[in-house]
Amino acid sequence: GAVVSQHPSWVICKSGTSVKIECRSLDFQATTMFWYRQFPKQSLMLMATSNEGSKATYEQGVEKDKFLINHASLTLSTLTVTSAHPEDSSFYICSARPGTAQETQYFGPGTRLLVL
Amino acid sequence: AQSVTQLDSHVSVSEGTPVLLRCNYSSSYSPSLFWYVQHPNKGLQLLLKYTSAATLVKGINGFEAEFKKSETSFHLTKPSAHMSDAAEYFCVVSDLRAAGNKLTFGGGTRVLVKP
Repeated sequence: GAVVSQHPSWVICKSGTSVKIECRSLDFQATTMFWYRQFPKQSLMLMATSNEGSKATYEQGVEKDKFLINHASLTLSTLTVTSAHPEDSSFYICSARPGTAQETQYFGPGTRLLVL
Repeated sequence: AQSVTQLDSHVSVSEGTPVLLRCNYSSSYSPSLFWYVQHPNKGLQLLLKYTSAATLVKGINGFEAEFKKSETSFHLTKPSAHMSDAAEYFCVVSDLRAAGNKLTFGGGTRVLVKP
């Protein structure tokens, strides 16, 4: 149980285009989902916290207009990287937290984005 | 504020020998602590977690960690390393009261297992 999927696993795009990444909780309902970014050989940095049906809360230094987050249902959150640039190339990982658990987060397999 | 320091960025061990990954944390309240493992180009897998119950926590794949409040440490150990243990390991702290239950990750320790 507690499986989180991400789609796509890999994406290559041209500079200036937008990319959407999906995060789904497959066998549980997630009232809260989190988006992280991981640069090569670095740790995970929290970008934003997404609650179903409300606006996401962004961490300091993360541009909310560039990284659009939508959490429209209890099993799906999406991250859209708008007007992507090469410096946005990174590994994006989502996690989902069941409504009944205060602390357990289940992580997706990640999406590697390469912006040319 | 909460923070996590993993004292070794790289650890190299021989197969069959013990593994020790060191982690120190800082938290204003009573934290929850986790160890996650990440294999190359993969997501994170939870190895074990401490949530104010027993201080010695047993996890999957033979790993265990001991919470020592006096030393603010949560070191991860395994008696005998296997080749499949080669991966990146993250120590993570979470404090519901101090940080709204956000996870703060350590810098990671990359484990190399030599045959």
